[in-house]
Amino acid sequence: GDSVTQTEGLVTLTEGLPVMLNCTYQTIYSNPFLFWYVQHLNESPRLLLKSFTDNKRTEHQGFHATLHKSSSSFHLQKSSAQLSDSALYYCALSDRYQGGSAKLIFGEGTKLTVSS
Amino acid sequence: GPKVLQIPSHQIIDMGQMVTLNCDPVSNHLYFYWYKQILGQQMEFLVNFYNGKVMEKSKLFKDQFSVERPDGSYFTLKIQPTALEDSAVYFCASSSGTGENTLYFGAGTRLSVL
Repeated sequence: GDSVTQTEGLVTLTEGLPVMLNCTYQTIYSNPFLFWYVQHLNESPRLLLKSFTDNKRTEHQGFHATLHKSSSSFHLQKSSAQLSDSALYYCALSDRYQGGSAKLIFGEGTKLTVSS
Repeated sequence: GPKVLQIPSHQIIDMGQMVTLNCDPVSNHLYFYWYKQILGQQMEFLVNFYNGKVMEKSKLFKDQFSVERPDGSYFTLKIQPTALEDSAVYFCASSSGTGENTLYFGAGTRLSVL
């Protein structure tokens, strides 16, 4: 079945350093849709980024990711970490993006901790 | 932005009792979901619901689970009877079903079965 893998359970960084959170996926769908959700402490998970276009960079709030279907990857990056980036980050996969059910398959999540 | 509210935030019950988790989805959304997250593990899909019916459910959605949304009120997840392995955080989500079909999540209900 479909699955999403986030290899790092915990990432600890010093403020100002670059961020890279890994995400790879397996799916039978030829046109998967990939998402990054972020969850701050005691808050709801909320959408950070989404993409369904191969090899096109998508950006939001300083974060960016590029869907690479050749390597089944959708890594999340940011050039300079901020204290406020400390949160749980989930990579997720869907077989559709518009219309109907938006069911997502989630990765295990990566806890990002940024210190000063 | 749009908000999904979940009530209560934490529920403690004895094994074998019934529990109902409540979700107030985004007002114009048509699709509703429950996800389960055991401590330290990923969020896993339980069920989605549309037009008064379960559309799809996972193997985690045991016979003891049921969902409903009577007359546009809360979207509920009922577990009867509860088991120890039901202890988890349950996230409700909703989506419009049209356009950019983003999933909006609630903050979760932490269920502790003793």
